[in-house]
Amino acid sequence: QSALTQPPSVSGSPGQSVTISCTGSSSDVGYYNRVSWYQQPPGTAPKLIIYEVSNRPSGVPDRFSGSKSGNTASLTISGLQAEDEADYYCSSFTSSVTWEFGGGTKLTVL
Amino acid sequence: QVQLQESGPGLVKPSQTLSLTCPVSGVSIRSETYYWSWIRQPAGKGLEWIGRVYNTGYTNYNPSLMSRVTISVDTSTNQLSLSLYSVTAADTAIYYCARGPGRDSGEAFDIWGQGTTVTISP
Repeated sequence: QSALTQPPSVSGSPGQSVTISCTGSSSDVGYYNRVSWYQQPPGTAPKLIIYEVSNRPSGVPDRFSGSKSGNTASLTISGLQAEDEADYYCSSFTSSVTWEFGGGTKLTVL
Repeated sequence: QVQLQESGPGLVKPSQTLSLTCPVSGVSIRSETYYWSWIRQPAGKGLEWIGRVYNTGYTNYNPSLMSRVTISVDTSTNQLSLSLYSVTAADTAIYYCARGPGRDSGEAFDIWGQGTTVTISP
């Protein structure tokens, strides 16, 4: 059982927006801004898409955005495209000087 | 362009030691201030951070695996290594090496290898 809680699945139609939540505690997400998000299409390695809560690496479209409120971080994908269909994982630093991942969310583009 | 590539045996017997290496190209482990991690993913399941190492040999480990794992770096060959002892079927997974997390990688795993599948079976 993952320390960070994500919904197992979300879906949306092309052009719509979807938000994936990542709920932790005051010992991880709630205290540190070291939250990152990863996109993993089937059969491939994860790819970093958001770091330090809301920063995008070079080359990641601005359709991807991140935020945090209290113990919950969120990833929003706007203007959904078919190529966005993938598994998405959040990760956070913890007060134990470790890193943990969420259980993952499968995004289906209808 | 930084690249990582995991390598090692695809099949390990129960109770034995799983050993993987990850040569790094495009950056010098010795001279750059990055951490390097191992992460695994059982088939159809989520990601699990195993631990990280710095070029000094300093490490942090997942407490759930700490008693069975060693992560190290060899700056002369520019690679990191993973040893997982006394393996069981529950250790069957895709194993990834990645850069980070740390201050110079945005506190995230910013570059990943393609992963290598390890099966624990007699």
